[in-house]
Amino acid sequence: QSALTQPASVSGSPGQSITISCTGTSSDVGGHNYVSWYQQHPGKAPKLLIYDVSYRPSGVSDRFSGSKSGNTASLSISGLLAEDEADYYCGSYTVAFTVVLFGGGTKLTVL
Amino acid sequence: EVQLAESGGDLVKPGGSLRLSCAASGFIFRNDWLSWVRQAPGKGLEWVGRIRSYTDGGSTDYAAPVKGRFTISRDDSKDTLYLQMNSLKTEDTAVYYCTTLRTDVFRGVIITLPDYWGQGTLVTVSS
Repeated sequence: QSALTQPASVSGSPGQSITISCTGTSSDVGGHNYVSWYQQHPGKAPKLLIYDVSYRPSGVSDRFSGSKSGNTASLSISGLLAEDEADYYCGSYTVAFTVVLFGGGTKLTVL
Repeated sequence: EVQLAESGGDLVKPGGSLRLSCAASGFIFRNDWLSWVRQAPGKGLEWVGRIRSYTDGGSTDYAAPVKGRFTISRDDSKDTLYLQMNSLKTEDTAVYYCTTLRTDVFRGVIITLPDYWGQGTLVTVSS
């Protein structure tokens, strides 16, 4: 099974909004609403930001939001802060193969 | 507060074995499905495998690259998850994370995705 497709990098200035895409297939992203997003700062463990496409765990800022259209899920970050500079990964369950697929990761640079 | 603490990472030669541990606290360990995810240096995340709670059968699933070489187990009396790694290859070099799993049912299938993550332990396979 191939990894989900994410852009390698995105950038934005403080206060701006950005969107990161995550493209899969009808067997994973497009087949259900079980897509998660994770934030990883250098040398740190991933942290869950979004689950089930658009739900935020308690304690996650409402500047982070998720959505999905067809086989592509998206993570949007509004009001960019310097602390948002990190790597972001999407993850989706693949029903047919009983595995979790991750995207290749997107490096967000806050200019 | 959910806490996961991995240990056991080390430098090992190709063909060797290693066992990782993950000590858990802050949640009812025996009720949870758990997984291992790894990250090679400078690379993305790769799912390794998962184990069900004993209530749900306690069975395991593995990613193709590790199937037959890695074994996930759990000791609910110690709130500890394990990853036994045999026949290690250089491409197994990575930071290994244990995670709790969020579960739901979709069309009769149990869907799982990681939620809480430990800090990871580094495994280096090199001669």
